[in-house]
Amino acid sequence: SAVISQKPSRDICQRGTSLTIQCQVDSQVTMMFWYRQQPGQSLTLIATANQGSEATYESGFVIDKFPISRPNLTFSTLTVSNMSPEDSSIYLCSVANLTDTQYFGPGTRLTVL
Amino acid sequence: SQQGEEDPQALSIQEGENATMNCSYKTSINNLQWYRQNSGRGLVHLILIRSNEREKHSGRLRVTLDTSKKSSSLLITASRAADTASYFCATSNAGNNRKLIWGLGTSLAVNP
Repeated sequence: SAVISQKPSRDICQRGTSLTIQCQVDSQVTMMFWYRQQPGQSLTLIATANQGSEATYESGFVIDKFPISRPNLTFSTLTVSNMSPEDSSIYLCSVANLTDTQYFGPGTRLTVL
Repeated sequence: SQQGEEDPQALSIQEGENATMNCSYKTSINNLQWYRQNSGRGLVHLILIRSNEREKHSGRLRVTLDTSKKSSSLLITASRAADTASYFCATSNAGNNRKLIWGLGTSLAVNP
């Protein structure tokens, strides 16, 4: 299984600002995903990060609000732009290779004031 | 969109007891997985059962799958306080580009 790290682990931000979250994997992986999990809720997929091309966004999520980069097979970033208190959540990256099993990073806990 | 539903939403048991959680889904699947999440941290994969399998074991975990009823159950035997966590089921559908459809989760509390 892959080892995934995320930075930062938590942050408190002011509304209107942006935060970039990094996801680093210790080996090359095929698929990388970004999720949002609001307090006490299940996971909601934001997008699939595609290496070398634009991310594939799920319904309700747009590139202007959540720009994603994936410059190579081990690294991706998610930016939460123009934040509001409703963006307060845990943001999780996960990876998958040749099977459907996903391996998760420890998450980034974001609070927007 | 979420298609999985777990029940119960919350479960509280004593150490040593068994815990059973159920998951239902709506469409045909390739496989169903169970994950554990401790205190809002990253999820940990527990077990995967394929659509042509009916039961699978891993240590103290037993998973069943009934595709005719579109449901699965996760049994944790001889529970420990360290099993306290949220448990999620997730299904993979054919042609879904590895995306998982997540259930709402069951919050399990194991009291010492």
